Amino acid sequence: GQSLEQPSEVTAVEGAIVQINCTYQTSGFYGLSWYQQHDGGAPTFLSYNALDGLEETGRFSSFLSRSDSYGYLLLQELQMKDSASYFCAVRLHGSGSARQLTFGSGTQLTVLP
Amino acid sequence: NAGVTQTPKFQVLKTGQSMTLQCAQDMNHEYMSWYRQDPGMGLRLIHYSVGAGITDQGEVPNGYNVSRSTTEDFPLRLLSAAPSQTSVYFCASSLMTGRSYNEQFFGPGTRLTVL
Repeated sequence: GQSLEQPSEVTAVEGAIVQINCTYQTSGFYGLSWYQQHDGGAPTFLSYNALDGLEETGRFSSFLSRSDSYGYLLLQELQMKDSASYFCAVRLHGSGSARQLTFGSGTQLTVLP
Repeated sequence: NAGVTQTPKFQVLKTGQSMTLQCAQDMNHEYMSWYRQDPGMGLRLIHYSVGAGITDQGEVPNGYNVSRSTTEDFPLRLLSAAPSQTSVYFCASSLMTGRSYNEQFFGPGTRLTVL
């Protein structure tokens, strides 16, 4: 089986840096994705790590270490608009439904002024 | 491009009623999927399709049917609504090549309440 574990809540202040972790237990997957979802909104794609290492997109960075079964999303220069839920997701090796995106339960980020 | 559209945005049903949630995309994406989202449980896959005429079950398919007669449309049918199906339903689509397979575009969601 597979599972993705994320902290349920994270709080930080405006202008700070926050790291949202995602640990997983799976035998093989294609890569790690991150999605953002504001309250009442639809999830939107943020980043994808196919390989180990750091991917940077503006204020957001994502990291993957397959050897440590671990990834994270790093948000810099936090803004109030970053308050949202963040989901990690993996696409497992295999066929059929086993190969579809599997999402973690999400981390609610609250940015305080 | 309109992206992924879903109708209706809100729906209230009585137990035992049936209905169809509509989903359409105009990006010529091969892959389409339906998720339900319940508080604290993330997104769970109901059904998915890798092209017109091809559908398969996801993690939680019971009580739902899908069909894919065209590339653009992927309706989700609730056969006999139950209170356990109260949820927010999202439709999503993507290409199926390389990195794009992991970048799903989501519709705005349908908020369904079953009484």
